Amino acid sequence: AQSVTQPDIHITVSEGASLELRCNYSYGATPYLFWYVQSPGQGLQLLLKYFSGDTLVQGIKGFEAEFKRSQSSFNLRKPSVHWSDAAEYFCAVGAQGTYKYIFGTGTRLKVLA
Amino acid sequence: DTGVSQNPRHKITKRGQNVTFRCDPISEHNRLYWYRQTLGQGPEFLTYFQNEAQLEKSRLLSDRFSAERPKGSFSTLEIQRTEQGDSAMYLCASSLAGGRAEQYFGPGTRLTVT
Repeated sequence: AQSVTQPDIHITVSEGASLELRCNYSYGATPYLFWYVQSPGQGLQLLLKYFSGDTLVQGIKGFEAEFKRSQSSFNLRKPSVHWSDAAEYFCAVGAQGTYKYIFGTGTRLKVLA
Repeated sequence: DTGVSQNPRHKITKRGQNVTFRCDPISEHNRLYWYRQTLGQGPEFLTYFQNEAQLEKSRLLSDRFSAERPKGSFSTLEIQRTEQGDSAMYLCASSLAGGRAEQYFGPGTRLTVT
């Protein structure tokens, strides 16, 4: 069965510092992979997606993620965090041929001024 | 296009009452999804429509839950005889057809059952 693990429930970084949020997935084939961001009381906004091809994908708001098949990982990175990046981040996997996403439990990011 | 919209944004109801939520997808999207998100968890898939056909239902969707998309546009999710365990954020998403079409989410309806 598909699953997504986000090992870090909370992460705190200082503004201007670099960020990496971890995501590991379990799936028998190459999955479709997504990162979404959710601000308090809001829906989810798509940051970036991976379907195939180049394993380093660029997204909105200066985020990028790298697909590593050997590690079953799709970690999200940002070189310099802004205070407005404070939110909850969800990694999701979508199986080819089905249309439902399986989400991780999320990582809540706090940014210190 | 203003994106996916959901109404109401918040609903407080007493246990045993019925509630109905509405989702209006992005106009050109023919796929519509419902997810449920409880506190501290990621969204969990409930059901999905392609046009007016409901093509998949999660086992999370008990007999008290019913979803419709009568004309292939907006959708409603009804919960009958609500229970406290139904308290959650109910998220709607829509997408174009095609396996690589990403889902766009609405702001959600937060349900509190007292």
